[in-house]
Amino acid sequence: GNSVTQMEGPVTLSEEAFLTINCTYTATGYPSLFWYVQYPGEGLQLLLKATKADDKGSNKGFEATYRKETTSFHLEKGSVQVSDSAVYFCALSRNNAGNMLTFGGGTRLMVKP
Amino acid sequence: GAVVSQHPSWVICKSGTSVKIECRSLDFQATTMFWYRQFPKQSLMLMATSNEGSKATYEQGVEKDKFLINHASLTLSTLTVTSAHPEDSSFYICSRTGDDGYTFGSGTRLTVV
Repeated sequence: GNSVTQMEGPVTLSEEAFLTINCTYTATGYPSLFWYVQYPGEGLQLLLKATKADDKGSNKGFEATYRKETTSFHLEKGSVQVSDSAVYFCALSRNNAGNMLTFGGGTRLMVKP
Repeated sequence: GAVVSQHPSWVICKSGTSVKIECRSLDFQATTMFWYRQFPKQSLMLMATSNEGSKATYEQGVEKDKFLINHASLTLSTLTVTSAHPEDSSFYICSRTGDDGYTFGSGTRLTVV
């Protein structure tokens, strides 16, 4: 079956530090890959996505590249801000829409000024 | 942008009572909606898939008689937690799929006392 594994948190960084949150997946076929962000007390918001191998999703300075050879979709940001503090979820679906999402365990990021 | 409205955001109820959570797709007719549950510091776990005009599909281990799902229209799905107990306290989130992918509600934090 489908599964997503992401690094455990919390990840604590100083402002302007470089961020990497690892995500690897197991799936049949060619899934779409997503990163969602959850700010305290809120629901999930789509951060970025990629639908095929070698695609790079990007948004708000965050990037992730769909690596089929390593079954990975690591999230990166060159310079984090305090406002980036949140929980980040890696997820996959077998289709871009219509099928359910499978989530990783979430990684809490805390950015200190 | 895509809008899914979830209500209420917070609810506290007494043990043994029932609580209804509404999820409305405001800008898109959703034949399928999803209900997730999130325990503190954990990932989202799919509870059930809500299908308009038919019975919901529950994930293994989810009690369908306890978590009643109704999807009577293309814009509204409801989750009713019946005879709630403290262990049902959790964060419940709905989502729908559409041409723009997945959109999540803002979540409902249920506390059973």
